Amino acid sequence: AQKVTQAQTEISVVEKEDVTLDCVYETRDTTYYLFWYKQPPSGELVFLIRRNSFDEQNEISGRYSWNFQKSTSSFNFTITASQVVDSAVYFCALSEWNSGYSTLTFGKGTMLLVSP
Amino acid sequence: NAGVTQTPKFQVLKTGQSMTLQCAQDMNHNSMYWYRQDPGMGLRLIYYSASEGTTDKGEVPNGYNVSRLNKREFSLRLESAAPSQTSVYFCASRRGSQETQYFGPGTRLLVL
Repeated sequence: AQKVTQAQTEISVVEKEDVTLDCVYETRDTTYYLFWYKQPPSGELVFLIRRNSFDEQNEISGRYSWNFQKSTSSFNFTITASQVVDSAVYFCALSEWNSGYSTLTFGKGTMLLVSP
Repeated sequence: NAGVTQTPKFQVLKTGQSMTLQCAQDMNHNSMYWYRQDPGMGLRLIYYSASEGTTDKGEVPNGYNVSRLNKREFSLRLESAAPSQTSVYFCASRRGSQETQYFGPGTRLLVL
């Protein structure tokens, strides 16, 4: 069975602080994909990034960056200079092969609260 | 291009009532999914449809049925609602295996 662990249930920071959200996964697949989604207070799920298991390069998109380390089975997400609009629940997810087809397994999410 | 749409947005049911949640996508995606989201549990897969004409159980299928009506539409039916089915339901779709899943806005269901 595959598993995604987001050990931080809730994080509170003050605006402009940097914050890192941790994601650790378990899988027996050699080829897999990892994802991050954002769920703001309005409730929709917004796709942030998709990364395959063969690409360990870090990725940066504006204030967001992702650190993928296969050796530690981690795919951590950092927000630099956080803003109030970053307040949301963030989910890490792992693609999973099931009966010849892949589905997503989600972590339980980390709630990020950024206060002014 | 509306993406993934869901109806209704909110519904209140009494225990034992039935209802169908509707989902449609206009992205010509092959695969569609139904998840439920409960506090502290993340998203759990109920059913999925890898392609038109096929459906498979996910992690928590009990109490639900699905129909892949055509390539665009994937409905979720509760035959006899129970308070344990109070949840937020999300539909998602994607073009192919390992591709990104895109989610609808969700349906908030309250079963009394």
